Amino acid sequence: SQKIEQNSEALNIQEGKTATLTCNYTNYSPAYLQWYRQDPGRGPVFLLLIRENEKEKRKERLKVTFDTTLKQSLFHITASQPADSATYLCARDMDSNYQLIWGAGTKLIIKP
Amino acid sequence: ETGVTQTPRHLVMGMTNKKSLKCEQHLGHNAMYWYKQSAKKPLELMFVYSLEERVENNSVPSRFSPECPNSSHLFLHLHTLQPEDSALYLCASSQDLYQPQHFGDGTRLSIL
Repeated sequence: SQKIEQNSEALNIQEGKTATLTCNYTNYSPAYLQWYRQDPGRGPVFLLLIRENEKEKRKERLKVTFDTTLKQSLFHITASQPADSATYLCARDMDSNYQLIWGAGTKLIIKP
Repeated sequence: ETGVTQTPRHLVMGMTNKKSLKCEQHLGHNAMYWYKQSAKKPLELMFVYSLEERVENNSVPSRFSPECPNSSHLFLHLHTLQPEDSALYLCASSQDLYQPQHFGDGTRLSIL
């Protein structure tokens, strides 16, 4: 069965540095991967979607990559700020189905 | 009011009670979802509606009963819940299936 694995340990990054979060998937490549941000007590907020045929996607300070060889997506936040502190969720499609398979998320802490 | 609104935000109920969770979306989306989120676990998809028709029921116990009276509203009726049902219940909507999802802030449910 398909799985999404994200680092369960919190990631601590100094303000101003680049934060990089990892999303690993099993079995065959998904048609797309999605990244969401979730703040405590709030629902997830969609950030970026990257398709299998795309190597990289950018949005302001955010960048997502998709490596089908490593079966991995990386999520980068450049010039990180304390306001970027949140839990970041990765999700993939299931067998090209509309259903998403979610990772448990990685908590990012940006220290001033 | 915009986005996806869920009520109530918090709910404490006994195992023999009957209650309902409400979700309303003001985005004109055609698909709506119910998810369960437990601490440090991936989101679990419970139900999916597309154009007011249920398209997915992921082996959810019958003590959870969804209702979608129109494309803007989604309910989750609860009865005879178990302590393990305590979790954050999230509603989401998307323009259509396969599109990124917009989430409400959830209902924190506690079963006594």
